[in-house]
Amino acid sequence: QQQVKQSPQSLIVQKGGISIINCAYENTAFDYFPWYQQFPGKGPALLIAIRPDVSEKKEGRFTISFNKSAKQFSLHIMDSQPGDSATYFCAAVYSGNTPLVFGKGTRLSVIA
Amino acid sequence: GAVVSQHPSWVICKSGTSVKIECRSLDFQATTMFWYRQFPKQSLMLMATSNEGSKATYEQGVEKDKFLINHASLTLSTLTVTSAHPEDSSFYICSARYGGSSNQPQHFGDGTRLSIL
Repeated sequence: QQQVKQSPQSLIVQKGGISIINCAYENTAFDYFPWYQQFPGKGPALLIAIRPDVSEKKEGRFTISFNKSAKQFSLHIMDSQPGDSATYFCAAVYSGNTPLVFGKGTRLSVIA
Repeated sequence: GAVVSQHPSWVICKSGTSVKIECRSLDFQATTMFWYRQFPKQSLMLMATSNEGSKATYEQGVEKDKFLINHASLTLSTLTVTSAHPEDSSFYICSARYGGSSNQPQHFGDGTRLSIL
């Protein structure tokens, strides 16, 4: 059973456009929702994270929108650049010393 | 801050040999370390969770005798792939977290690409 569903699987966006990646979760015990960015041959790097008591968090060009009632959260990349081309993973975790639960990832390609 | 160093980054070895991968948290004490395996174009698959000084907890389907994990200190965990075979070839990534709260993010190393000939 996949606890965090991520879509789309792949995404192509024009330079300067907005990239939007969506995730949905099932376990209401989750209380921390990070997004990771992974370049080929590298480990995932923490990009931005949110807790469910906040509906939106923005850091530079990256924004997380969180809808607790719908159990959904999304990543928006404004003014997308070719350097943003990478695989993005949403994740969720609940209290205690438990590991992250990852979505299946979205391969983003930003074309000039 | 929050740097996790993984070594080696790439290793090629013959079938039947054992390979050790090191994971170090450079600027924080990692209460918990996690080991993942990632196949091409797929998500990360959790192999095991280890707490300093305790035995690792393996995920279902992961052979604990094949993948030996040691978390001897708050800054070092090792994964040893014993008697490696071609099907063990993969990208292995470690992750470290400080503290037991979900608020503490997991930080990842840059992975080790293991190729077994």
